[in-house]
Amino acid sequence: DVKVTQSSRYLVKRTGEKVFLECVQDMDHENMFWYRQDPGLGLRLIYFSYDVKMKEKGDIPEGYSVSREKKERFSLILESASTNQTSMYLCASSTEYGLADTDTQYFGPGTRLTVL
Amino acid sequence: LAKTTQPISMDSYEGQEVNITCSHNNIATNDYITWYQQFPSQGPRFIIQGYKTKVTNEVASLFIPADRKSSTLSLPRVSLSDTAVYYCLVAQARDTGRRALTFGSGTRLQVQP
Repeated sequence: DVKVTQSSRYLVKRTGEKVFLECVQDMDHENMFWYRQDPGLGLRLIYFSYDVKMKEKGDIPEGYSVSREKKERFSLILESASTNQTSMYLCASSTEYGLADTDTQYFGPGTRLTVL
Repeated sequence: LAKTTQPISMDSYEGQEVNITCSHNNIATNDYITWYQQFPSQGPRFIIQGYKTKVTNEVASLFIPADRKSSTLSLPRVSLSDTAVYYCLVAQARDTGRRALTFGSGTRLQVQP
């Protein structure tokens, strides 16, 4: 079974703090993603990475950056947290070489971040 | 990317069949229809995918008409544990380059005893 783990289930930070959210997958997947989920808005893609040290902006990258130094680890960074970044953050991974016709994404349990 | 539209919520009772319809009017030739399920406090998980006609697995069936502008997820004999949010997505084929998925707001299914 694919396992995607996230460093924290719940996190509380103050406005202006630098926040790191860590994600690790154990299936040697090439692609990794960060989404945020808000009520009524579904999941929105922040950033994704298709290889080590490669990254691409998603639909809402403003206020975020990412780091992928190792294949199994993808970090989301909030340089200066703001209250409008209070949300559920979900990490996912997928492989280029799966059997399905499209990429199947495997999600972690999520980190609920509250910025005060 | 093709936009999807699905009901915000549905209610059902245990043992009933539930059908959730999704519309995707501007679906492209390379697009597949994919459904994910999300339980509270968990990330979404893949449940079924299809291109046309009917697909069935151990969890659900997916019906896709010839024009592919809509699809219906069918859950046979639901139980309380099927209470979740169901997302309809249009995902491009593996060789078209885009790797990310576009999730809408989903359908919140509540199963009552």
